[in-house]
Amino acid sequence: SQQGEEDPQALSIQEGENATMNCSYKTSINNLQWYRQNSGRGLVHLILIRSNEREKHSGRLRVTLDTSKKSSSLLITASRAADTASYFCATDENNAGNMLTFGGGTRLMVKP
Amino acid sequence: KAGVTQTPRYLIKTRGQQVTLSCSPISGHRSVSWYQQTPGQGLQFLFEYFSETQRNKGNFPGRFSGRQFSNSRSEMNVSTLELGDSALYLCASRKQGGNTGELFFGEGSRLTVL
Repeated sequence: SQQGEEDPQALSIQEGENATMNCSYKTSINNLQWYRQNSGRGLVHLILIRSNEREKHSGRLRVTLDTSKKSSSLLITASRAADTASYFCATDENNAGNMLTFGGGTRLMVKP
Repeated sequence: KAGVTQTPRYLIKTRGQQVTLSCSPISGHRSVSWYQQTPGQGLQFLFEYFSETQRNKGNFPGRFSGRQFSNSRSEMNVSTLELGDSALYLCASRKQGGNTGELFFGEGSRLTVL
C-alpha cells in the first residue's frame, strides 16, 4: 500500500520557473527520500532527509520536512526542460523493515 | 562502477505461464529489493534480500517469489501469470541492510501478460 500522497499529481511550468511538489505520509519515519523517474525508466535518488532534519539543499533542490504535519516538500528552482520527469517521495518507516513506501508521484513537465 | 543490471528489459508472456527476472546489484551491495510499478497501484514493495535471506515481504500472493545468491545477484519468479501482473518490475540495491540510505535502481523489466 502507498504511504503517502503527492500533490499535485501533475504540474506544468515554463523553463526558469520554480516547481514545488508536496508529499504527505501517515506513520512515523526514519527518513524521507525523493526520487526522480524518467518515463518508463528506473528511479534515481535525489535527496534524503532524516526525521531530525527540517531542511536540506542539494544544488537546485530544496527539501523540507515537517514531522508534526507528516509532510515534506521538494522545490526545484530555475527549472529546465531536462527536469521533466515524475518525482516520488518515499518513506523509510519505523519498524517496517528494510523497505521504502512510495507516494503516487508528481508528473512534472517543464516547457522550453 | 557498473549500475544495477536487470534482465530481460522487456518480455511478453501469456496467462498461466511463469516468468523469472534477474537482477545484478552494484558490486559490493548486499541488499536487493524488488518493486512492482503499475499505473493503478504505483510502486509497491515486493521483497528484500540481504545475504541470501529474505528479510521483508510485501503484500503479494505466494505466486511471487524470489531468491538471492551468494554473489548477491537476485531473481524473482512469478508463477501462473495473470493479466494484472503486467507491470514494470524494478530491482534496487544498497550497500548495507540498515534502514537508512538511498536505493540504486535498475532500469526495470517490463512484463506484459496477454
